[in-house]
Amino acid sequence: QVQLVQSGAEVKKPGASMMVSCKASGYTFVDYYIHWVRQAPGQGLEWMGWINPSRGGTKLAQEFRGRITLTSDTSSNTSYIELSRLRYDDTAVYYCARDLSYGNSGYFAYWGQGTLVTVSS
Amino acid sequence: DIQMTQSPSNLSASVGDRVTITCRASQSISSRLAWYQQKPGTAPKLLIYTASTLEIGVPSRFSGSGSGTEFTLTISSLQPDDFATYYCQHYYNYPWTFGRGTKVEIK
Repeated sequence: QVQLVQSGAEVKKPGASMMVSCKASGYTFVDYYIHWVRQAPGQGLEWMGWINPSRGGTKLAQEFRGRITLTSDTSSNTSYIELSRLRYDDTAVYYCARDLSYGNSGYFAYWGQGTLVTVSS
Repeated sequence: DIQMTQSPSNLSASVGDRVTITCRASQSISSRLAWYQQKPGTAPKLLIYTASTLEIGVPSRFSGSGSGTEFTLTISSLQPDDFATYYCQHYYNYPWTFGRGTKVEIK
């Protein structure tokens, strides 16, 4: 079965960088885009971007451009999100997610368990 | 960016009630809309996509309708497992955005 397993919680200082991993299993990794969505405490969901693991192409939400890097390692079926110059309002649960259908459908049928990143001095 | 406005933001209902949640887009998004259910401490779960297509395994008491700018999620007979927060999401153009959620609580 499809599984997305994310790395553990992190505490970071303002201005630092964070990296969260998302290891996929149960399907052909390169056939489906990986998306990243975050959720601040008690708040709604925010789409951050996607990566095509096959070719490495990405699409990023404008507000994160310049601070976000999405990468994938096809040898380990793992995707990564790196967010730099962290601010207090980057405190959130970060989710990776996979499309329902082959390629990039726009809606997310499979989700990782979420990784809490806390930005605190 | 397309704004997704959900209403109500909270609702109290009883088991067996019919529940309707509305999602309005700030511009037409055709039928490029998904609905998710989220319970505390867990990832969202896809319920419906393309506005009205039920994801496999989702109970038939859930249904979605609408196109253009106005959409609804209906739960025909609310069950104990349905108390959760529901989000709509458009995928018409970038950035994809979510509504702020509707929390369904026990009356």
